[in-house]
Amino acid sequence: EVQLVESGGGLVQPGGSLRLSCSASGFTFTSYNMHWVRQAPGKGLKFVSAIITNGGSTYYADSVKGRFTISRDNSKNTLFLQMSSLRAEDTAIYYCACGYNFAYDYWGQGTLVTVSS
Amino acid sequence: QSALTQPPSASGSPGQSVTISCTGTSSDVGGYNYVSWYQQHPGKAPKLMIYEVTKRPSGVPDRFSGSKSGNTASLTVSGLQAEDEADYYCSSYAGSNNLRVFGGGTKLTVL
Repeated sequence: EVQLVESGGGLVQPGGSLRLSCSASGFTFTSYNMHWVRQAPGKGLKFVSAIITNGGSTYYADSVKGRFTISRDNSKNTLFLQMSSLRAEDTAIYYCACGYNFAYDYWGQGTLVTVSS
Repeated sequence: QSALTQPPSASGSPGQSVTISCTGTSSDVGGYNYVSWYQQHPGKAPKLMIYEVTKRPSGVPDRFSGSKSGNTASLTVSGLQAEDEADYYCSSYAGSNNLRVFGGGTKLTVL
């Protein structure tokens, strides 16, 4: 069974940092590009960041470029998102997701990040 | 403001059909056959319902179908059932710089 389990969310002050993790199991992690997608409370889905299978290329939404860093540890089947200079507008549920055919077949349950003083 | 435009709401009675539109540009929906649709129930993660415009993943009922014309994609739910009541999001590949764009979501109500 495919499982993606996010962790690391929580309450952080504006300007602070947080590191999210996504542990993958039940599939060949190294065969998938991995993505982070977020959803602000009561709002829609938004692409945040992506990393290719070997970690050699990364992609970011303009709203997080320069503040967030995506990485992966293929030896541990784990995806990361290092978030810094956090803003109130970064408050959201953060999902890790992956799939083929330019679609997200698999999603984690999400981890909530709240940026507030 | 979302990159793709969806109506905020749609509704239908059990057994009826409803179609949800998703309008983008030639840089996303119109430029690639990589439109996907997701169903999200409250408090749950999204679920893939349609990929590559018209294809259904294993386990998704054939009541769900997708299509595209120009810069607008559509999701049709036929034979509406109570469990179809959810939020639906479209998404499209948008090239190597933007990667993915989403619609703002449509809340489907089964009357």
